Amino acid sequence: QVQLVESGGGLVKPGGSLRLSCEGSGFTFSDYYISWIRQAPGKGLEWFSYISSGGTSIYYADSVKGRFTISRDNAKNSVYLQMNSVRPGDTAVYYCARDLEKLDYWGQGTLVIVSS
Amino acid sequence: QSVLTQPPSASGTPGQRVTISCSGSSSNIGSNSVYWYQFLPGTAPRLLLYRNNQRPSGVPDRFSGSKSGTSASLAISGLRSEDEADFYCAAWDDSRSGWVFGGGTKLTVL
Repeated sequence: QVQLVESGGGLVKPGGSLRLSCEGSGFTFSDYYISWIRQAPGKGLEWFSYISSGGTSIYYADSVKGRFTISRDNAKNSVYLQMNSVRPGDTAVYYCARDLEKLDYWGQGTLVIVSS
Repeated sequence: QSVLTQPPSASGTPGQRVTISCSGSSSNIGSNSVYWYQFLPGTAPRLLLYRNNQRPSGVPDRFSGSKSGTSASLAISGLRSEDEADFYCAAWDDSRSGWVFGGGTKLTVL
């Protein structure tokens, strides 16, 4: 069955870095865009980045542009989110989702806490 | 502040029919399909409806959706205790060139 699993979350100090991973299984990973969505505590959902199936098209919301970098390795069925210069406002559960005209399968999410 | 507007809460008793609204604008719901998701603690979010009213395989027909203009709604009939969850609507926004979401509705089964 289709599955996405995020990993790499944890506690990081403001200004620090963290790398999240999203591994897919049960489908042809290289056929799909992958999006990242986050949900801050008590807040709504924010879609903030995607990467195309081949990795040639990438998008970032203004809230993370210049600080986060998305990449993928289709040989490893994985997408990565390098988070640099993190801020307390980046504290959230981070989800990856399969994206092909709809965000149809999501992972369970990984929690990132930015705090000193 | 979410781009799409949902009521923060909804409730019903077992067997009842409950609807959850989602209001947007011409750049999102008005020109694109609406999607609905169910969030349960400890599990991956689940796509309930796509293209306004289409159910993925495995989603019971108790869940239905509709769209009119810049608003959409999710209806759950024959309410069950296991339906208690957070529900979110989503749509592509042409102005933002990205996905936008509602603020979520917490459904309580009394």
